[in-house]
Amino acid sequence: EPEVTQTPSHQVTQMGQEVILRCVPISNHLYFYWYRQILGQKVEFLVSFYNNEISEKSEIFDDQFSVERPDGSNFTLKIRSTKLEDSAMYFCASTQMGYTQYFGPGTRLTVL
Amino acid sequence: DAKTTQPNSMESNEEEPVHLPCNHSTISGTDYIHWYRQLPSQGPEYVIHGLTSNVNNRMASLAIAEDRKSSTLILHRATLRDAAVYYCILREAGTASKLTFGTGTRLQVTL
Repeated sequence: EPEVTQTPSHQVTQMGQEVILRCVPISNHLYFYWYRQILGQKVEFLVSFYNNEISEKSEIFDDQFSVERPDGSNFTLKIRSTKLEDSAMYFCASTQMGYTQYFGPGTRLTVL
Repeated sequence: DAKTTQPNSMESNEEEPVHLPCNHSTISGTDYIHWYRQLPSQGPEYVIHGLTSNVNNRMASLAIAEDRKSSTLILHRATLRDAAVYYCILREAGTASKLTFGTGTRLQVTL
């Protein structure tokens, strides 16, 4: 069964450094999402992406964040200058037509 | 997205049925009811969704009240692997919009 994959599984970085989180959505899917979950808190929406552009973003998704689909398979989330409060699990999700979102296993980001 | 209300936690014995309730009194006519779950240390996972009629799939059943102001996710025989946080989420029909997660119901399954 096809699945969403994410790399790395765990990323440790210093405050102020740039990180790129990578996702490979399911191949025939058209809509892509990033969510995050701070330890012990709710899953929060960050951004959705369709037809090579952002379709919706949350207040969390400020100028420090960007997303890209550099080729036909990868979907990336970049954080330009990480802060301590960016430490969280980051989940990528994709869907073909919008009804069911399929989530990846997540990347645990630790900012020191 | 319309708001849902779920109990914080529930317990079940293994092999017993589990009924997870969700209230959504402000649901609109075009909102679908979706259920996702999150197993420990994993990403959310789709369980089931419905609009008006009860729905069944290999994972669970979804019972929707006639007035659509509440619904119940039914796990027919809970196993230890069903221990997770279960989220009831409303989404407008025909959209690929974001999922808005609440705090969900943490289901504990014991032997």
